[in-house]
Amino acid sequence: QSVLSQPPSASGTPGQRVTISCSGSSSNIGGNIVNWYQQLPGTAPKLLIYSNNQRSSGVPDRFSGSKSGTSASLAISGLQSEDEADYYCATWDDSLHSWVFGGGTKLTVL
Amino acid sequence: QVQLQQWGAGLLKPSETLSLTCTVYGGSFSGFYWGWIRQPPGKGLEWIGEINHSGNTNYNPSLKSRVTISADTSKHQFSLKLSSVTAADTALYYCARGDWVFWGQGTLVTVSS
Repeated sequence: QSVLSQPPSASGTPGQRVTISCSGSSSNIGGNIVNWYQQLPGTAPKLLIYSNNQRSSGVPDRFSGSKSGTSASLAISGLQSEDEADYYCATWDDSLHSWVFGGGTKLTVL
Repeated sequence: QVQLQQWGAGLLKPSETLSLTCTVYGGSFSGFYWGWIRQPPGKGLEWIGEINHSGNTNYNPSLKSRVTISADTSKHQFSLKLSSVTAADTALYYCARGDWVFWGQGTLVTVSS
């Protein structure tokens, strides 16, 4: 059971906009920055978004992040087949004194 | 360009100690935390812990009793030791810089009798 809650799956067709949610609490998302990672099959995770809404170097502007209260979201617009991957949110938890991850969302491009 | 190269034993027996090392090439070693993350087969990511150049550490509470992370700043290396492993510790282990921009290639560690 992950500290942060993500939907296990999401899907969309090419060109569509997809949103992936990440829900936490006041001890984690509510008081700290959120990062998002993309993991393509067989590869190490890649930092997509840091500090809630900052794109990491080289990440297309089709990817955007936002945070409100104890929840965060990753939006992908103009969906492309190469976006098919697992996506994880992460943040620091003040109660656990630990980084915590969401369980991951598998994005399928139909 | 910063690169992280990790190595260590990939097959352990239950009760043994997992030992992995990560060497950082390029960039600064000080000024960052350096961490370990693992991913059981087919499952999500789990943060194990981190260390900075001063030796300050933070550990996942669920693993804290079995984990030791150390660093050798002169060699730009940091290491993970996880004691008393069981099959539940079977996972792909990654090292990463604390800002999560740079990651090692991953090491599959299997615990089996």
